[in-house]
Amino acid sequence: EPEVTQTPSHQVTQMGQEVILRCVPISNHLYFYWYRQILGQKVEFLVSFYNNEISEKSEIFDDQFSVERPDGSNFTLKIRSTKLEDSAMYFCASNRVTDTQYFGPGTRLTVL
Amino acid sequence: GESVGLHLPTLSVQEGDNSIINCAYSNSASDYFIWYKQESGKGPQFIIDIRSNMDKRQGQRVTVLLNKTVKHLSLQIAATQPGDSAVYFCAENFNFGNEKLTFGTGTRLTIIP
Repeated sequence: EPEVTQTPSHQVTQMGQEVILRCVPISNHLYFYWYRQILGQKVEFLVSFYNNEISEKSEIFDDQFSVERPDGSNFTLKIRSTKLEDSAMYFCASNRVTDTQYFGPGTRLTVL
Repeated sequence: GESVGLHLPTLSVQEGDNSIINCAYSNSASDYFIWYKQESGKGPQFIIDIRSNMDKRQGQRVTVLLNKTVKHLSLQIAATQPGDSAVYFCAENFNFGNEKLTFGTGTRLTIIP
């Protein structure tokens, strides 16, 4: 069964550094998403992406965040200058039109 | 500093018994609802969904009930197994799956052998 994959599984970085989190959505899916989950809290929406552009973003998704689909398979989340409070699990999700969103296993980001 | 996590509601159920997990959703305009299961260190895993034009849907050992009048969603798990131990989140959405999901707080289900 096709799955969303994410790399790396764990990323440790220094405050102020740039990080890029990578995702490979399910191949026939058209909508892509990033969510994050701070330890012990609920999953929060960051951004949705369709037809090579952002369709919606949350207040969390400020100018330090960007997304890109650099080729036909990858979907990336970049944080330009990480802050301590960016430490969280980051989940990528994807779906076809009017269908369930399927989530990847997540990347644990630790900002020191 | 370290964030203080939310205190999750917990439910402990004897193996083999049925469990019911409840969720109050927030947006009366939501038209699509999903239950996800999250095991420690993993991503949310789809369990079952329901659209707003239905009030009940059954899957394998799971049933979702939707009460739009009181904005309430429940997940029933029959004949629970140790592998059912996890945190369960409800999520709501409008536009039938596209656009953002809004997740609930979650309930930690523990199955007692």
